[in-house]
Amino acid sequence: GAGVSQSPSNKVTEKGKDVELRCDPISGHTALYWYRQSLGQGLEFLIYFQGNSAPDKSGLPSDRFSAERTGGSVSTLTIQRTQQEDSAVYLCASSLAGGEGYEQYFGPGTRLTVT
Amino acid sequence: GENVEQHPSTLSVQEGDSAVIKCTYSDSASNYFPWYKQELGKRPQLIIDIRSNVGEKKDQRIAVTLNKTAKHFSLHITETQPEDSAVYFCAASIQDRDDKIIFGKGTRLHILP
Repeated sequence: GAGVSQSPSNKVTEKGKDVELRCDPISGHTALYWYRQSLGQGLEFLIYFQGNSAPDKSGLPSDRFSAERTGGSVSTLTIQRTQQEDSAVYLCASSLAGGEGYEQYFGPGTRLTVT
Repeated sequence: GENVEQHPSTLSVQEGDSAVIKCTYSDSASNYFPWYKQELGKRPQLIIDIRSNVGEKKDQRIAVTLNKTAKHFSLHITETQPEDSAVYFCAASIQDRDDKIIFGKGTRLHILP
């Protein structure tokens, strides 16, 4: 079946512009995560959505970052007034949290370059 | 909240030798411990996981061990092969609480010819 998809795959933007990154999780997955991965680095947790619970935003690096998840499915990560240090690969993952369904399925990522 | 420490950050082993990556966690309530492998330019993928009701799990050349008392768990890869070269991430979570998965910072494994 279809896996996690993300769009766009690549985004080049000028410093100061806003960007929106989209994630389509696997249908029926209640948990959705956003991570940031700089070149050669680990997975930096950004935000976590779980069902109807309030999202865990503890990883968002500044108030320029926000995310929403509409209807418990698609999620968008918005970065306002982008800075060069925002350049990274943004990964989305979803899972069937609970019971035996804990595997996280990652999307291919969006490579963001801020010039 | 939960904190996961992983070491070493980089590991080089000769092809055919074994590799061991170690992680510690802080929250004694954690009960699910997955390991993910990320090959160069690709997305992370689950390779093995272990739950707190067992101490060891094997899948071919890969094994994980868990010591709940010491709050540490390890990944063991035997008879390493070139395709094992990748970044490996350990993680911990508390099932049936908030289910949030916390990752370690990763170990870059190089298999030397």
